[in-house]
Amino acid sequence: QKEVEQDPGPLSVPEGAIVSLNCTYSNSAFQYFMWYRQYSRKGPELLMYTYSSGNKEDGRFTAQVDKSSKYISLFIRDSQPSDSATYLCAMSLPGANSKLTFGKGITLSVRP
Amino acid sequence: ETGVTQSPTHLIKTRGQQVTLRCSSQSGHNTVSWYQQALGQGPQFIFQYYREEENGRGNFPPRFSGLQFPNYSSELNVNALELDDSALYLCASSLGGGNSPLHFGNGTRLTVT
Repeated sequence: QKEVEQDPGPLSVPEGAIVSLNCTYSNSAFQYFMWYRQYSRKGPELLMYTYSSGNKEDGRFTAQVDKSSKYISLFIRDSQPSDSATYLCAMSLPGANSKLTFGKGITLSVRP
Repeated sequence: ETGVTQSPTHLIKTRGQQVTLRCSSQSGHNTVSWYQQALGQGPQFIFQYYREEENGRGNFPPRFSGLQFPNYSSELNVNALELDDSALYLCASSLGGGNSPLHFGNGTRLTVT
């Protein structure tokens, strides 16, 4: 079993849809949780950064962490064609934020 | 604010050769990490440098080595290249202290033939 499992893709939705992206993990010591967006031929771009359990909202994006279930989610409201990219979940141990453990990534396509 | 920059953007090498990849960290960031991203996979942690010392290493053999310079720029060196080393190599920088998020460059695409 991999330390971080991410829902397989690809995922295709119509413009305006609500998108839900999910990851599960096995190491209960993970404390910091991130979502990165990666466009083709680019590096990962930090979208959301959360500590421990709870929700965090930033514009159309909401990150949710449930440590009891070892489950994290990213919700995208009113999805746009510009949201078409690969989304990577990542997590780290306390004091070790340079050593991220990533999911495999899921490719999202938003159709106009 | 200048982001993380990497060079070159693309590189083709032959099996057995050696390669050096370069990275300039984001302004004000003193910690540099390197990641390998194979096609269709998430990035894998190679190692981290803080104050010019290696400070954490992933599951990569010793032929992967690095340097960090006083200006916080960094190099990744790979010796005896293998076909499986073909990947996107990503550099990321952050503020030291352990709880700062990483900011990535656009990577160097290495192809080993």
